[in-house]
Amino acid sequence: QVQLVQSGAEVKKPGASVKVSCKVSGYTLTELSMHWVRQAPGKGLEWMGGFDPEDGETIYAQKFQGRVTMTEDTSTDTAYMELSSLRSEDTAVYYCATASQVRDGMDVWGQGTTVTVSS
Amino acid sequence: QSVLTQPPSASGTPGQRVTISCSGSSSNIGSNTVNWYQQLPGTAPKLLIYSNNQRPSGVPDRFSGSKSGTSASLAISGLQSEDEADYYCAAWDDSLNGRGAYVFGTGTKVTVL
Repeated sequence: QVQLVQSGAEVKKPGASVKVSCKVSGYTLTELSMHWVRQAPGKGLEWMGGFDPEDGETIYAQKFQGRVTMTEDTSTDTAYMELSSLRSEDTAVYYCATASQVRDGMDVWGQGTTVTVSS
Repeated sequence: QSVLTQPPSASGTPGQRVTISCSGSSSNIGSNTVNWYQQLPGTAPKLLIYSNNQRPSGVPDRFSGSKSGTSASLAISGLQSEDEADYYCAAWDDSLNGRGAYVFGTGTKVTVL
C-alpha cells in the first residue's frame, strides 16, 4: 500500500524559494505518476504538474512554468517540488499525490505541507 | 480560472439524493475520463470516483458517477451527515500546455441540512 509523507510547514519571505519533499513508501517511485496540487486558503484545488512514467517527462501547468521544478530521488523514493520567486499568492497547502498514469485519478495523497509567504 | 464548471453549493436532508454536475468541453471531459474527489474539512482530498463511474475499494456504493458528452455528474444517494464536504471533478485536458494538463473543477460544497 502506497503511503506519502510530506515535509513540514514552511514560512518564506517574498522572492525566496521553497522545496517540499514527499517520501514514498510501499511502492517504487519510478513506477508511479507523481503529481503536485496546491490549495490556497478558502480556494479550490490547483494542479501544478505531474510526472509521466511512460516517457519519463514532467509536465508543468503553464501557470507555473519557469518557476517550479519537480524532481525525484529514486535512491530514497522521495519526490521534491521547488517553487521559486515566491509571492503572497503562493501561500497555500501543497499536496503530493500519485496515480498509475499521468491522466489517471490520484488515489494516494500526502498529508499536505503549508507554505506561508509573508514579509 | 478552471475549465470545469461546478455549482458552488448543493444541499439535502439525510437520506435524500444529491447530484453535482461538472461541465467541460471536448478537450477534457469529451475525450478523457472523469474523476471525482471528496475533501472533508481540514483534510487532504480523497479519490471518490475514477474512470467516470468506478469506485475505489472502500468507497460506499451510494456514491456514483456518470458521464455524457462533455458533462459529468456525481450522485450521492442516501445522504449522510459525514458526506458534508467539498467535491471536485477532474479530468485531463488535451488542449493545454502543448501535451495536456490535469484540470480540477471549481468545487461544490455539499451541506447536509
